[in-house]
This record gives sequence, structure tokens and C-alpha cells, in this order.
Amino acid sequence: EAGVAQSPRYKIIEKRQSVAFWCNPISGHATLYWYQQILGQGPKLLIQFQNNGVVDDSQLPKDRFSAERLKGVDSTLKIQPAKLEDSAVYLCASSSAVVEAFFGQGTRLTVV
Amino acid sequence: AQSVTQLGSHVSVSEGALVLLRCNYSSSVPPYLFWYVQYPNQGLQLLLKYTTGATLVKGINGFEAEFKKSETSFHLTKPSAHMSDAAEYFCAVINNAGNMLTFGGGTRLMVKP
Repeated sequence: EAGVAQSPRYKIIEKRQSVAFWCNPISGHATLYWYQQILGQGPKLLIQFQNNGVVDDSQLPKDRFSAERLKGVDSTLKIQPAKLEDSAVYLCASSSAVVEAFFGQGTRLTVV
Repeated sequence: AQSVTQLGSHVSVSEGALVLLRCNYSSSVPPYLFWYVQYPNQGLQLLLKYTTGATLVKGINGFEAEFKKSETSFHLTKPSAHMSDAAEYFCAVINNAGNMLTFGGGTRLMVKP
């Protein structure tokens, strides 16, 4: 069974630029999560999708972050414009009805 | 709202010694609880989970954890540490509707030879 795929693995951008991350969940998984993990901290939930609907986005900085999950499969997370404090690893995870979440390897973003 | 507290951001043990990583949670509904491990430059891998039933759960790599409702704890243990156990460990909680998978701040386990 293929795991959660994320791309790119690494990205370096200048502040005020925009960036997008892509996630392909495990086939058949209805739930998709995006997390932000700042160095030395635990993952912080940004947004949770159930199929193509948003379950929770209370911690998503909506003035600069956006996410979508078209057709309830792949998802993209965008930051525009980026700030220095957005430097982090962005993790995507998916789960089915059995609750356990499977994580991708993440995208390491550096904003300079 | 739910939250997770992991006591001790760094734990150091000798190879062969007992590993004990502490996790306390708060949740307004019966929770599901998880321990994940993260190796450098990798995503998170599930070690074990508690949903319902037996409160002592066994996971991969010889780890186990016990759900204690009265103490709102879910501590992770391993009888004998191995060098390969050195990693970051995260405790997480989710409500029984399957929403809001919330992580603690993590504990970095170091294993000395």
C-alpha cells in the first residue's frame, strides 16, 4: 500500500513570496490533515478535511494560508505572502474510519 | 477542547535501561490516545494506540503504554532501551468523533552506550 506522498521535500523562498505544497493521501482515506511543525515543537494542526469539506481550520492563519482538497483526494496548502516565522516542516496525514493517521515525510520550508 | 502535556522535553537513558516517557491529556469526551515516533527528517510513525478495551496496549519495537483514566495519563514504557530508540516521541489525542488530532510538544529520547 502506497503511503502519503508530499512534494516538494524542501523549499527555500524569500519572505513575501508565495509557496504551495501538495499532498496525495492514501487511497480511500476520507480524512486529510495539514500540520505545521516548528523546530523543537510538536505538530500543530492547521486544517482537517473530511472528503472535500473542512472539519476544522481554527488554527489556520487565514490572512496568508489557504488550503483546498478538490474532489476529496489530493490537497494543496498555500502560503501567500510568506513570513520568516513560517519556516517549519509542513506535514500531511490521512486516515480512514479506523482513526489512525498516516503521515507523509513532510515539506521543509525555509523562509529567508 | 483537548490538550496533551508531555513532561520532560529531553530524556536520557543508558542502553538496556527502562524507558519511561510521560503523557497527560485533557479531553471532555472519552479520548483515543496515540504515541508516534519521529526520526530525523522523517514523518511520524505510529507506535501504538488506545481506542477502547484493554488499557495496556502493546506497540511496535517493544513499546507499551497504559491508559489510566483516573490519572488522565498515557505513559510510554520500554523495559530495555536500545540505541535505535533514540528519536523524538509524540503523544497525541483525538476525540471519539475522529476530529482534532492534537499533539504534545514531544520528548527527545537519547540513549547512551
